[in-house]
Amino acid sequence: GQNIDQPTEMTATEGAIVQINCTYQTSGFNGLFWYQQHAGEAPTFLSYNVLDGLEEKGRFSSFLSRSKGYSYLLLKELQMKDSASYLCAVLDSNYQLIWGAGTKLIIKP
Amino acid sequence: GAVVSQHPSRVICKSGTSVKIECRSLDFQATTMFWYRQFPKQSLMLMATSNEGSKATYEQGVEKDKFLINHASLTLSTLTVTSAHPEDSSFYICSASESGGWNEQFFGPGTRLTVL
Repeated sequence: GQNIDQPTEMTATEGAIVQINCTYQTSGFNGLFWYQQHAGEAPTFLSYNVLDGLEEKGRFSSFLSRSKGYSYLLLKELQMKDSASYLCAVLDSNYQLIWGAGTKLIIKP
Repeated sequence: GAVVSQHPSRVICKSGTSVKIECRSLDFQATTMFWYRQFPKQSLMLMATSNEGSKATYEQGVEKDKFLINHASLTLSTLTVTSAHPEDSSFYICSASESGGWNEQFFGPGTRLTVL
């Protein structure tokens, strides 16, 4: 079966750095997405990785290792507004988007 | 940037009634629109994919006669939940893509449906 694993919840301190991991087992791979979702709102796109390596975009970076079926989202200089769920999703060989359950990130002052 | 709107944002209805949710791409033409459902603390579940002018493609387990999707124009898709029941209560989210590509889908703000 297809599976996306990410931690259910993480806590970090304002101003710090946090890394949210995602591992996947899917039938094929056509890219991995990270989305941010605030409670009661729709997801917003953060990043898309299809090649191995690190993609940096401001305070957020996303890393992919296809051989390991692994990605992480790195958030730097955390702000209170970063408190949200972070969803990992993989596009499989049939171009079906397989979603993780999300990691709830709690930021403390 | 690409903006997608949904209406209504919240709806409460009685069991057995039908509810229509609209999804609009405001500043681009959406070749493809996607409809998702999300239960509390769970992932998004794709319900169906619709292309303008053609019938929607439903995911396995989604009843096409219960969840009617119409994508009549390049800027509007509607989802009608027919004969809604309490178990249909959920957060319904649409997304739209100009090119049909998964790496550029823009999400609407979602519609919270509560069926009493």
